[in-house]
Amino acid sequence: GQNIDQPTEMTATEGAIVQINCTYQTSGFNGLFWYQQHAGEAPTFLSYNVLDGLEEKGRFSSFLSRSKGYSYLLLKELQMKDSASYLCAVRSYNAGNNRKLIWGLGTSLAVNP
Amino acid sequence: DADVTQTPRNRITKTGKRIMLECSQTKGHDRMYWYRQDPGLGLRLIYYSFDVKDINKGEISDGYSVSRQAQAKFSLSLESAIPNQTALYFCATSDLAGALETQYFGPGTRLLVL
Repeated sequence: GQNIDQPTEMTATEGAIVQINCTYQTSGFNGLFWYQQHAGEAPTFLSYNVLDGLEEKGRFSSFLSRSKGYSYLLLKELQMKDSASYLCAVRSYNAGNNRKLIWGLGTSLAVNP
Repeated sequence: DADVTQTPRNRITKTGKRIMLECSQTKGHDRMYWYRQDPGLGLRLIYYSFDVKDINKGEISDGYSVSRQAQAKFSLSLESAIPNQTALYFCATSDLAGALETQYFGPGTRLLVL
């Protein structure tokens, strides 16, 4: 089957660094996305990895290891506004060789002062 | 102005009623999607459309129907609403021409079925 696992909840302190992990088992891997979703709002795109390694974008970085089926999102210099749910999504291929996006359940991050 | 809009933003209806949720986009994307989101269940795909003449079922299409009236418009209908269709509904778009094919979401419609 195809599934994505990420921790349900995490807490961290303002100014600190937090790493949110995502492991996946899918067929025909074609990229991994991270989205941020504040409570009651729409998910917004944060990052995309298709090759192994680290992608850095300001305070946020995302890492991918395709051989391990593993990714993480690293948030530095945490701010209160980073309190949100972080969704990991993997693009894979279905039986008809069409691409589809598989969503994790999200990790709810609480940043405390 | 928002690139992906949804109407209504909130809706309360009664069991058995027919309702329609509408989505419009100004991004010029060919692909559009309807998701529902429930606590503990994450985002689940209801229907998707790759162009005006293309409609595909997602993982939870039972009880729902869609219409792709134009490239920019994609509507979701609940023919006879039931309480377990209470959820947050999102429309999304993506552009195959873009290498990432990132999905962009509308603000959501919060639906309560009594």
